[in-house]
Amino acid sequence: GAVVSQHPSRVICKSGTSVKIECRSLDFQATTMFWYRQFPKQSLMLMATSNEGSKATYEQGVEKDKFLINHASLTLSTLTVTSAHPEDSSFYICSARDWGVGGYTFGSGTRLTVV
Amino acid sequence: QQQVKQSPQSLIVQKGGISIINCAYENTAFDYFPWYQQFPGKGPALLIAIRPDVSEKKEGRFTISFNKSAKQFSLHIMDSQPGDSATYFCAASGGGADGLTFGKGTHLIIQP
Repeated sequence: GAVVSQHPSRVICKSGTSVKIECRSLDFQATTMFWYRQFPKQSLMLMATSNEGSKATYEQGVEKDKFLINHASLTLSTLTVTSAHPEDSSFYICSARDWGVGGYTFGSGTRLTVV
Repeated sequence: QQQVKQSPQSLIVQKGGISIINCAYENTAFDYFPWYQQFPGKGPALLIAIRPDVSEKKEGRFTISFNKSAKQFSLHIMDSQPGDSATYFCAASGGGADGLTFGKGTHLIIQP
């Protein structure tokens, strides 16, 4: 089945620094990938849609200058949290749609802690 | 505006029983309705999904029932096992929105 690999699984960074999270589709090409954020004991909230070769589409209320998304190839999308603050601490999860299967496959998530 | 409403928030079921989780949606353009299982610290894993042209879909112990006129769908877990203890999310997509809109989740506990 479709596999999405996300790295790193955990990261701790100092306030004010930037952190990059990678999301790879391992056995299929993903023209579109999605980034979600999940706070403890809450649901997943879509942050942005990442389109290969074009600009990402951000959901209302998500700062595009803070959460930089790059989708440079059909198998890789990256999310960079810039100038991170403690309130950015969360669980970030990427997803890709495998059109061959028709469903959305999720990565294993990245636990970001900003200290 | 919450487009997908999920209930209950938490559920305790005895081993061997049937777990039932319900969702209701508002956007009639939605055309894909998956259920995900999530364990702590992990990403969600697809359990089963349905499209509006089908009223029921069964895969192993998991069944989705779909009522298009009522804009509701539910997940039934038959013969629930302690290993099923997790958080379950319903979701929906379609109508020009590529990403998934999730319900708030149901924390399911199966008591041995």
